[in-house]
Amino acid sequence: GNSVTQMEGPVTLSEEAFLTINCTYTATGYPSLFWYVQYPGEGLQLLLKATKADDKGSNKGFEATYRKETTSFHLEKGSVQVSDSAVYFCALSPEGGATNKLIFGTGTLLAVQP
Amino acid sequence: EAGVTQSPTHLIKTRGQQATLRCSPISGHTSVYWYQQALGLGLQFLLWYDEGEERNRGNFPPRFSGRQFPNYSSELNVNALELEDSALYLCASTRDPYQPQHFGDGTRLSIL
Repeated sequence: GNSVTQMEGPVTLSEEAFLTINCTYTATGYPSLFWYVQYPGEGLQLLLKATKADDKGSNKGFEATYRKETTSFHLEKGSVQVSDSAVYFCALSPEGGATNKLIFGTGTLLAVQP
Repeated sequence: EAGVTQSPTHLIKTRGQQATLRCSPISGHTSVYWYQQALGLGLQFLLWYDEGEERNRGNFPPRFSGRQFPNYSSELNVNALELEDSALYLCASTRDPYQPQHFGDGTRLSIL
């Protein structure tokens, strides 16, 4: 079946450190991949997406590359800020581009200390 | 553009009662999705409505139901509430199923 596996948190970093949050997936066909972010007390916000192999999604300094050969979509940022502290969710849409049913990872809490 | 709005923000109920949660999608969006975010269980897909019809359903019992109105707003109803129903319920909307989902801030349902 379709599933998403994220690294366990919490991830605690100092400001300006490099961030990697690992995400791997299992899916049939050609899924679309997403990273969502949830700030405290808020809903989810779409951070970035990639719809086909080798696509790189990017937004607000965050990047993730759709790697079909390793079934991965790792989230990276070169220099984190305290304001990046949030829960990050990796997700996939199992149909080719249609997001009628997003499958989420369990989320990774990122805490950035000044 | 106003985002997805959900009401109420918080809802406190007791076991056996019924809860109604409401969602207004972004203007122009016709698809509405409901997710349950229970502590320690991540986000689980509940229901998808499009053009007034239920299109897909997650692995939840029938006491979770809903509907979509002609203005595309939606209600989620949970009957015979159980303690395990305590969670944040998130609503999302899209213009069509090929666009990313936009989420509201959720309704926190607490069962006492």
